Amino acid sequence: LAKTTQPISMDSYEGQEVNITCSHNNIATNDYITWYQQFPSQGPRFIIQGYKTKVTNEVASLFIPADRKSSTLSLPRVSLSDTAVYYCLVNTNAGKSTFGDGTTLTVKP
Amino acid sequence: DVKVTQSSRYLVKRTGEKVFLECVQDMDHENMFWYRQDPGLGLRLIYFSYDVKMKEKGDIPEGYSVSREKKERFSLILESASTNQTSMYLCASSSIIQGVRLNTEAFFGQGTRLTVV
Repeated sequence: LAKTTQPISMDSYEGQEVNITCSHNNIATNDYITWYQQFPSQGPRFIIQGYKTKVTNEVASLFIPADRKSSTLSLPRVSLSDTAVYYCLVNTNAGKSTFGDGTTLTVKP
Repeated sequence: DVKVTQSSRYLVKRTGEKVFLECVQDMDHENMFWYRQDPGLGLRLIYFSYDVKMKEKGDIPEGYSVSREKKERFSLILESASTNQTSMYLCASSSIIQGVRLNTEAFFGQGTRLTVV
């Protein structure tokens, strides 16, 4: 299984764009990259998923370079409510997902 | 809205007891998962199931078993609870893409905080 590496924590201020990078050097050809957000005492919530290049939805963008050994979650104009733990996941085609340690994002006023 | 429901939000059990954690999903998802989450350790996969009566071990299956007799229900069983199984347990479900056992978006329950005393 491809292992992921993320920064343990990041700080930002309201209104800024936040980029969280995840390293997954051993990603396999069929693997997708998925990001989740988790608030305290809640289960993780899906943010975005992609395979290559760029994916954008209403809350985030996901950038994946051609070699796919890393990916960057971009959160535009963060607010205090974006303070959470963000997990990068590499999905194998065996349907088995392993979460990494996550990045604790703290948004300050 | 997809709903993944875990039977208990909080549970206190005694060492040696047999414990059942139940999870039900209402979206006809093929895949179901049990994770445990501990401070500083993130989410760790215990078991997952991609079909009725099918199960596969995750990263930390020791001390646990699972049961999936119906598609919508996935049970986690602690045969003999121990204090080191005190944790937050999270159930999740997801569907598959075009017959390939690849996770789409996973939906999580609210979690069961289990304390073993």
